[in-house]
Amino acid sequence: GAVVSQHPSRVICKSGTSVKIECRSLDFQATTMFWYRQFPKKSLMLMATSNEGSKATYEQGVEKDKFLINHASLTLSTLTVTSAHPEDSSFYICSATSQETQYFGPGTRLLVL
Amino acid sequence: KQEVTQIPAALSVPEGENLVLNCSFTDSAIYNLQWFRQDPGKGLTSLLLIQSSQREQTSGRLNASLDKSSGRSTLYIAASQPGDSATYLCAVTQAGTALIFGKGTTLSVSS
Repeated sequence: GAVVSQHPSRVICKSGTSVKIECRSLDFQATTMFWYRQFPKKSLMLMATSNEGSKATYEQGVEKDKFLINHASLTLSTLTVTSAHPEDSSFYICSATSQETQYFGPGTRLLVL
Repeated sequence: KQEVTQIPAALSVPEGENLVLNCSFTDSAIYNLQWFRQDPGKGLTSLLLIQSSQREQTSGRLNASLDKSSGRSTLYIAASQPGDSATYLCAVTQAGTALIFGKGTTLSVSS
């Protein structure tokens, strides 16, 4: 089956620094990738839709200047959390679409101190 | 706007019981529905995917049904085991869109 990887799996950073999270489709090409965020005991919430070669589409309430998304190739999308603050601490999960089915990465746990 | 609801929010059962998790959605114009499992602090594991034209899917002890017209899906787990303890998420997609998730049902199976 299709495999999606994320790197890193866990990251701890100081407040004010930027963190980059990579999402890769390992054995298929994905023109569309999605970024989700999950706070403790909450459901996954879509943050943005990442389309290869074009600007990402952000959901309402998600700051595009804070969460920079780059989808430079058909197998890689990156999410950069700029000037991270403790309230950005969360579980970030990406997914990539193949034949109308979404395949999820294992997630990245971000802790901002 | 599509909304997905899962009932119950939490469920505790003794090992060996059969159980049913419920999922409902407000807009029946879905492309497919998926059931996922999430262990604490982990990513999602896809359990079953039901296309809109299908009525059910089975995998081992799991059976998922879909009644698109009434906006409902159920996940049936037979002969539950402690290893089944996790949060189960239901999600729907409409053509070309991201998944819309329910809040999940947290299952605890005691030995």
